[in-house]
Amino acid sequence: SQTIHQWPATLVQPVGSPLSLECTVEGTSNPNLYWYRQAAGRGLQLLFYSVGIGQISSEVPQNLSASRPQDRQFILSSKKLLLSDSGFYLCASGKVRTEAFFGQGTRLTVV
Amino acid sequence: DAKTTQPTSMDCAEGRAANLPCNHSTISGNEYVYWYRQIHSQGPQYIIHGLKNNETNEMASLIITEDRKSSTLILPHATLRDTAVYYCIVRPAYSGAGSYQLTFGKGTKLSVIP
Repeated sequence: SQTIHQWPATLVQPVGSPLSLECTVEGTSNPNLYWYRQAAGRGLQLLFYSVGIGQISSEVPQNLSASRPQDRQFILSSKKLLLSDSGFYLCASGKVRTEAFFGQGTRLTVV
Repeated sequence: DAKTTQPTSMDCAEGRAANLPCNHSTISGNEYVYWYRQIHSQGPQYIIHGLKNNETNEMASLIITEDRKSSTLILPHATLRDTAVYYCIVRPAYSGAGSYQLTFGKGTKLSVIP
């Protein structure tokens, strides 16, 4: 089965600072990759997905961007964080007709 | 928007079966029912999925009604470690363009009580 590595597990960043969250995948090739955000007490919101290297689709307009420099690497970034960017960020990997595998998440607090 | 309706919370005694219902009355013919759970501060974990037949694996059983408008996830012998939020999701077998539109609602918070 697949393993999704996310780091760091927790992060506290000041408003206006940059952000880079990395996700790497083991145990599969050419997966679809996803970034989700979960605000406190709410469901998961899909932010970005990628079907291949350099291919990024955004689900919601926001202060964040994503990149996929390698087949099994997915990066979530921001040039200037806002307070509203706080949340629990999850990377997921999946293929058509299979279940998705999630990482353990990064809890981001913007102060 | 989530296409499913689940109770907000449920309690279950340790060792008893936990039966978690889900309504998906607008499900279409090519959509599967998936169940995930999320233990506090962790990523969601896949449990089981099915189309129209009942399914069973080492974690749980999934019972889908004949009209496919509802389903029940059964944890046969709940333990304290099964305390989590359980999400019922419907998604097509093939979403096109590789998108994986897992639309999570608020799920059911299951509390297993000693």
